[in-house]
Amino acid sequence: RKEVEQDPGPFNVPEGATVAFNCTYSNSASQSFFWYRQDCRKEPKLLMSVYSSGNEDGRFTAQLNRASQYISLLIRDSKLSDSATYLCVVKDPNDYKLSFGAGTTVTVRA
Amino acid sequence: EAGVVQSPRYKIIEKKQPVAFWCNPISGHNTLYWYLQNLGQGPELLIRYENEEAVDDSQLPKDRFSAERLKGVDSTLKIQPAELGDSAVYLCASSLGGQTEAFFGQGTRLTVV
Repeated sequence: RKEVEQDPGPFNVPEGATVAFNCTYSNSASQSFFWYRQDCRKEPKLLMSVYSSGNEDGRFTAQLNRASQYISLLIRDSKLSDSATYLCVVKDPNDYKLSFGAGTTVTVRA
Repeated sequence: EAGVVQSPRYKIIEKKQPVAFWCNPISGHNTLYWYLQNLGQGPELLIRYENEEAVDDSQLPKDRFSAERLKGVDSTLKIQPAELGDSAVYLCASSLGGQTEAFFGQGTRLTVV
């Protein structure tokens, strides 16, 4: 089983729509979780850290479900500029290794 | 404040030739990572440094890859000899350590022909 798994998508949504996707992780002891955004041919950029109670940053909401070992990202009122690949990242609690999912591709159309 | 700086941005070499990539992390970041990313996949760890010590190099193909971070600041990743399958983007990232987030450089896109 991979350490971090994501639905690859693609999620193709119209502007203004809400899109949500999940990421599952295998290590139940993991404490730190992040969502990164990666545009085509660019480096990953931190979108948000995921706190135990979930957190919100503008149109983006991240939630953590420890019991089921998954993290979700929800994007409200999608913009064309939200089109990107979203990478789920889990940090190992012992050796601090960052494990990446393969990414979820989101395309927002006009 | 400068982010993670990598050079070169692009490199094209013939197979069997050597190649080196350089990374300068964010000032004060003790943890430095080298990742490899293939098209359509997430980054995969090659090596992680805590200061000048390589604490995780289990995924580094040591027959041809080497890395160093001599003074615990900038780092160099080398491939010798390069193979066609090494064509990928090589990403460097740094963090303050512990449970904090990592920041990435722009990467080096390597093409081996």
